[in-house]
Amino acid sequence: EIVLTQSPDTLSLSPGERATLFCTSSQIFSNKYLAWYQQRPGQAPRLLMYSASIRASGIPDRFSGSGSGTDFTLTVSRLEPEDFAVYYCQQYSTSPRYIFGQGTRLEIK
Amino acid sequence: QVLLQESGPGLVKPSGTLSLTCSVSGDSMTGHYWNWIRQPPGKGLEWIGSIYYSGSTVYNPSLNSRLTISIDTSKAQFSLNLTSVTAADTAVYYCARRAYGDYPFDSWGQGTLVTVSS
Repeated sequence: EIVLTQSPDTLSLSPGERATLFCTSSQIFSNKYLAWYQQRPGQAPRLLMYSASIRASGIPDRFSGSGSGTDFTLTVSRLEPEDFAVYYCQQYSTSPRYIFGQGTRLEIK
Repeated sequence: QVLLQESGPGLVKPSGTLSLTCSVSGDSMTGHYWNWIRQPPGKGLEWIGSIYYSGSTVYNPSLNSRLTISIDTSKAQFSLNLTSVTAADTAVYYCARRAYGDYPFDSWGQGTLVTVSS
């Protein structure tokens, strides 16, 4: 079974700074099947990226994704106050189990 | 824009059955998978299972023996039944949509907290 490990667990940055979040898989898989979600406090997760690098509808272009094989990255180029949240990566090709990483908390420094 | 809304009891007794319904509006259920995902308090996300609009189901193997997901397209609803619940099943339960094929969860309900306690 694939395991997704996100790092760091918590990232403390200031508005305006650049954030880089990592997602590492225990097995190689196609970047077609890697998504990122944002979860603000008290809210449902929201799809940010899919196929590793494609922004979902309505997502600002300060969000970008990259990676292949076992290593994937989500970058926020310039943090806005509303970007401080928990981010999850997800692998969505291994039905019957869709795997999420444990999450990275992006907090205001 | 599709909207999903979970409903059901917020408290279930241990060994009882957790039953939730997700109501879908703003789009047809046709051509999509409809999913349940849960999140224990302060923890991460766990996919529970999904049902295609035609009624075929796929379940998380860890929950398979206790789980039933059903769909009623005439009412634009799908439902979750989880039997023999314990405190470990306490979580926020989300319903979510996924397009046919290998796609992520593109629309989510707001979630509903279900607590298992006597």
